[in-house]
Amino acid sequence: EIVMTQSPATLSVSPGERATLSCRASQSISSNLAWYQQKPGQAPRLLIYGASTRATGIPARFSGSGSGTEFTLTISSLQSEDFAVYYCHQYNNWPRTFGQGTKVEIK
Amino acid sequence: EVQLLESGGGLEQPGGSLRLSCAASGFTFSSYGMTWVRQAPGKGLEWVSTISSTGGGSYYADSVKGRFTISRDNSKNTLYLQMNSLRAGDTAVYYCTKGACSGGHCYPGEFWGQGTLVGVSS
Repeated sequence: EIVMTQSPATLSVSPGERATLSCRASQSISSNLAWYQQKPGQAPRLLIYGASTRATGIPARFSGSGSGTEFTLTISSLQSEDFAVYYCHQYNNWPRTFGQGTKVEIK
Repeated sequence: EVQLLESGGGLEQPGGSLRLSCAASGFTFSSYGMTWVRQAPGKGLEWVSTISSTGGGSYYADSVKGRFTISRDNSKNTLYLQMNSLRAGDTAVYYCTKGACSGGHCYPGEFWGQGTLVGVSS
């Protein structure tokens, strides 16, 4: 099973600042990585697939990068609606696995 | 508009069974792989099972293999999850999700339902 490790567990950021979230896979997953955003009481929402492609309707301030085992989600200028939990998810191998999540909170 | 509506959750005793359903609309259901993902209270996301567009292929997490069965009825645009031998650790919100393909790259989780809560307790 591929283990997905996200860091940090919690990220405290001021509105307007940049946020950088990391996700590491225990073995290569090529670019088969997605990022999801989840707000309290809501279902997750797809942000990024293929490691770097924004899903439909996702603002340009969200960007993904990386391949192989190291991946990054960057939010260029945090808006109030961006404070949430973010999960990475590999879909290269079975079983599929998620990272444990990074909570982005207001500093 | 894509809609995924889960149902069938509830409270069940350990060892019992439940069948979850996910009614899909707004897209050609028979063309897409579908997945169940769960989330225990206060915890992260856990992939449970995926089924191919035709139903010919299915995959399971080790934690549910041999107890859960994923299936679909493309004539009814409905995804199912039959859950047997339920355990306390199966307590979670269960989400139905739709996959997608773009430019030859297929990926999961394009759309998610709102989830249905399953509780397992005596």
